[in-house]
Amino acid sequence: EIVLTQSPGTLSLSPGERATLSCRASQSVSSSYLAWYQHKPGQAPRLLIYGASTRATGIPDRFSGSGSGTDFTLTISRLEPEDFAVYYCQHYGTSPTWTFGQGTKVEIK
Amino acid sequence: EVQLLESGGGLVQPGGSLRLSCADSGFTFSSHAMSWVRQAPGKGLEWVSGIGGSGDSTYYADSVKGRFTISRDNSKNTLYLQMNSLRAEDTAVYFCAASTTWPYFQHWGQGTLVTVSS
Repeated sequence: EIVLTQSPGTLSLSPGERATLSCRASQSVSSSYLAWYQHKPGQAPRLLIYGASTRATGIPDRFSGSGSGTDFTLTISRLEPEDFAVYYCQHYGTSPTWTFGQGTKVEIK
Repeated sequence: EVQLLESGGGLVQPGGSLRLSCADSGFTFSSHAMSWVRQAPGKGLEWVSGIGGSGDSTYYADSVKGRFTISRDNSKNTLYLQMNSLRAEDTAVYFCAASTTWPYFQHWGQGTLVTVSS
């Protein structure tokens, strides 16, 4: 079973700053099945990135994803007020099963 | 636009049962796989169960296997989750999600709260 570990647990930044979120898999995974979601309290989660680097429909280009193997990164180039939220990486695996990381909270500094 | 609306949550005693529903509007329901994902209080997202577009294929997380049953009625554009033998640790907000591009969850409902407590 693949485990996804996200770091840091909390990222304290100011609007306009760059955010770099990490997702590490316990074993090598296919980039095709790695996604990132944004989740705000009381709202539905939102798909941001799939296939490790492809932006979902309607996602601003300040969001970008990269990585391969066991190490993946979500970057928000310049934080907007609406970007403060919790972010999850997710992997689709065999069986099939879907695994989420424990999340990174991006909070206003 | 895709819209998913969950219902059926509530307070139930340990060992009890509950059935969640997720009604869809706005897209071709039968064409897409669906899943249930939950979030326990103060915790992250956890995938619970998934079902193929025709309903023939079903998948479960180990934590609910043998207790929960996912199903769908494509004539009613509705997804279900039958939850039996509920435990305190099943307390969570349950979201339904649609995979319009497999295997990702492009569309989500707002969630319904299930509380398992005596």
